[in-house]
Amino acid sequence: GESVGLHLPTLSVQEGDNSIINCAYSNSASDYFIWYKQESGKGPQFIIDIRSNMDKRQGQRVTVLLNKTVKHLSLQIAATQPGDSAVYFCAEKLAGQNFVFGPGTRLSVLP
Amino acid sequence: NAGVMQNPRHLVRRRGQEARLRCSPMKGHSHVYWYRQLPEEGLKFMVYLQKENIIDESGMPKERFSAEFPKEGPSILRIQQVVRGDSAAYFCASSRSDSSYEQYFGPGTRLTVT
Repeated sequence: GESVGLHLPTLSVQEGDNSIINCAYSNSASDYFIWYKQESGKGPQFIIDIRSNMDKRQGQRVTVLLNKTVKHLSLQIAATQPGDSAVYFCAEKLAGQNFVFGPGTRLSVLP
Repeated sequence: NAGVMQNPRHLVRRRGQEARLRCSPMKGHSHVYWYRQLPEEGLKFMVYLQKENIIDESGMPKERFSAEFPKEGPSILRIQQVVRGDSAAYFCASSRSDSSYEQYFGPGTRLTVT
C-alpha cells in the first residue's frame, strides 16, 4: 500500500507485482518530463522521459503516462524486482533548461 | 567512457570556512547543472553553465555561492563562509547540448558543516 510518512511517501509492493508511482507537476507550460531513480548514496539515474505531445511512452519494463489535463504523471514498473527498490523522482522542464524535481517516492519491494 | 565525476565525495567544513566542489562532465558534454538535495527531499536546481558562461543561476542563493565552468578543467561550485544550513548533498549533471535534455548525474558531494 501507499503511505505518507514523516518525510518521503512510501510505496510497498510484493516482488513480481506491478508498481505505479504518481507525480503531480506544477506548470501547465512544462513540455518535457523525466523519471529518475535514486539509490541510496548515489546520484539520480535516468529511467524514461516523455514530451508533452505524447500521452504514453514505453521502455523496458517501464511505462510513463502523461495526463496534461490534470497535470499528472505516472511511472509504471512491470514485474517489480528487489533491484527496483529506490527513491523515484519526476522532473518537469520549465522554460530554458531549468528542471524542477518532485519530492520523490520511496519504492520498497517486499520478498 | 567515464560518467560524470565529482570530488570530493564527502567534505567536512567548519562554520565560516570555504567549500569547493568539483564536477567533471561526461566526455563530449559541454553543459553542466548543479543541484542541491536535503535529506528525504527532491533535488533543487541551483545553476546551469556552459563553458565559460553562466546560463541560468536562478536557483543560486544571492550571497556566498558562486559557480564557474572554465574553458579548461572541471566546473566548480564554491560556497564561502559555510553555515550549518549548507549541509546537503550537491549533485552535478551534464548534458551534450542545450537541445539534449537528458542529464547524466554524478555521484554527488556530501557536505557536512560542523
